[in-house]
Amino acid sequence: NAGVTQTPKFQVLKTGQSMTLQCAQDMNHEYMSWYRQDPGMGLRLIHYSVGAGITDQGEVPNGYNVSRSTTEDFPLRLLSAAPSQTSVYFCASSYGQGETGTEAFFGQGTRLTVV
Amino acid sequence: AQRVTQPEKLLSVFKGAPVELKCNYSYSGSPELFWYVQYSRQRLQLLLRHISRESIKGFTADLNKGETSFHLKKPFAQEEDSAMYYCALKRWGSNYKLTFGKGTLLTVNP
Repeated sequence: NAGVTQTPKFQVLKTGQSMTLQCAQDMNHEYMSWYRQDPGMGLRLIHYSVGAGITDQGEVPNGYNVSRSTTEDFPLRLLSAAPSQTSVYFCASSYGQGETGTEAFFGQGTRLTVV
Repeated sequence: AQRVTQPEKLLSVFKGAPVELKCNYSYSGSPELFWYVQYSRQRLQLLLRHISRESIKGFTADLNKGETSFHLKKPFAQEEDSAMYYCALKRWGSNYKLTFGKGTLLTVNP
């Protein structure tokens, strides 16, 4: 059982470049989300999806786009990379509404550096 | 709005000493509280959830609704407990919008 898989693990971008961070889960979870982890800031929610075709903004959505065409995949797109987007990005998935105490499963993270 | 506060960024203890990582929250509805742990360069993983009232790796946490706290405790710290700990909150019965605190880096010295 692979769980939540993120690719790539590491990436260096130049300012202004675009790229897509991939996230896939094989647990048939309804809910998927993207967080960024910065020192002293904890994890902040970028975008989330409650099911295929449904996405919404989190706390820090600017500069990022998402789509959810399938239950399994939830890619995060950086439109025009900026140094402020240097961070570690985590994708997570979990069961949807109605489940109490259900844990979120995280990917191994993508360490992105924008120069 | 929901908010989670972890007042200590860093906490350092010696092996065998008790440890308490503080977590306070603000939320107008019924919350579910969790502790997640991240060992060095690994993914986050669930440590405890308040509704289970379980003890994992010797850690316990009790939800105190009066004080809006969910502190994580262990009577005797081990070196392998060194990690980043995040307290997290979500609305009861929903997995939408899990809100994390800023984390506490625990170091257990030999």
